Amino acid sequence: GNSVTQMEGPVTLSEEAFLTINCTYTATGYPSLFWYVQYPGEGLQLLLKATKADDKGSNKGFEATYRKETTSFHLEKGSVQVSDSAVYFCALANSGYALNFGKGTSLLVTP
Amino acid sequence: NAGVTQTPKFQVLKTGQSMTLQCAQDMNHEYMSWYRQDPGMGLRLIHYSVGAGITDQGEVPNGYNVSRSTTEDFPLRLLSAAPSQTSVYFCASTPWGEVDEQYFGPGTRLTVT
Repeated sequence: GNSVTQMEGPVTLSEEAFLTINCTYTATGYPSLFWYVQYPGEGLQLLLKATKADDKGSNKGFEATYRKETTSFHLEKGSVQVSDSAVYFCALANSGYALNFGKGTSLLVTP
Repeated sequence: NAGVTQTPKFQVLKTGQSMTLQCAQDMNHEYMSWYRQDPGMGLRLIHYSVGAGITDQGEVPNGYNVSRSTTEDFPLRLLSAAPSQTSVYFCASTPWGEVDEQYFGPGTRLTVT
């Protein structure tokens, strides 16, 4: 079946540090991959997506590249801000509309 | 457009009580789904619907019922609440053919004592 594994948190970084949150997946076929962000007290928002191998999704300074050879979709940002503090979820969709989510990684950025 | 709305925002139930979590969307989306979010577990799919009159089970359906009488509404019913159903519940909707456009509601935080 489909599954998503992402690094455990919490991750604590200083402002302007480089961020990487690892995500790997297991799926048959060619899933679409997503990163969702959940700010405190809010629902989930789509951060970025990639629908085929070697696609790079990007938004708000965040990037992730769909690597089929390593079944990975790692999230990166070159310089994090305090406002990036949130929980980040990696997810996939495969032959349907239901999303398989990772467990989430909490990020805290300190001034 | 209001998007996806959920009511109530918070609810406390006693074990054995029943209740319905409401979800509505005004975007005319065919696909709707319910997830629960538990600490360290991510989001898990409870039930989903591909259109009015059609529902199916997700990963964790036990203890929950759904129906879809209209395109707009997709209520989730807890028939006999249990402490294990303490969670945050999210409803989502998607237009047909656009799997990468999932819109999530703000969530309902449910506590069962």
